[in-house]
Amino acid sequence: DVKVTQSSRYLVKRTGEKVFLECVQDMDHENMFWYRQDPGLGLRLIYFSYDVKMKEKGDIPEGYSVSREKKERFSLILESASTSQTSMYLCASSTYRGPSLETQYFGPGTRLLVL
Amino acid sequence: KNQVEQSPQSLIILEGKNCTLQCNYTVSPFSNLRWYKQDTGRGPVSLTIMTFSENTKSNGRYTATLDADTKQSSLHITASQLSDSASYICVVSRTGTASKLTFGTGTRLQVTL
Repeated sequence: DVKVTQSSRYLVKRTGEKVFLECVQDMDHENMFWYRQDPGLGLRLIYFSYDVKMKEKGDIPEGYSVSREKKERFSLILESASTSQTSMYLCASSTYRGPSLETQYFGPGTRLLVL
Repeated sequence: KNQVEQSPQSLIILEGKNCTLQCNYTVSPFSNLRWYKQDTGRGPVSLTIMTFSENTKSNGRYTATLDADTKQSSLHITASQLSDSASYICVVSRTGTASKLTFGTGTRLQVTL
């Protein structure tokens, strides 16, 4: 079974703090993703990575950065947390198996509250 | 604009009853459509995936349909169980890289006794 783990289930941080969210997958997947999920908005892609040390911006990258130093680990960084970044953060991974066959496997999520 | 709309937003049904959730999309060019189940406080889990040429796909008591002409999909749940209580998210993929996913906002289903 694919397992995607996230370092924390719940986090409380103060405005201006630097926040690190860690994600690890154990299936040797090339692709990793960070989303945020807000009520009424659905999942929105923040950043994704197709390979080690490679990253691409998603739909809402502002205020975030990422790091992928090892294939199994993808970190999301909030450089200076703001209250608007209070949200559920979901990490996902996938591997290419052919057109239309790629499925993203999600971690349990980190609920972040910025005060 | 690429969009996925789901209805209803929420639904309450009695255990043992059937229900159908709807998904309309305007995503183009279309590659495939997935239904995910998300339990409260957990990440989404894939239920079904359908490509352009498929119009029905089953996974146990879950049956998804796709009409690519009208750009509509439905998820039918048969003989509902309490464990079916969750959010069901419709996700449409455009041709190209895996990142090109458009998520619906989900239907929140509650199954009661």
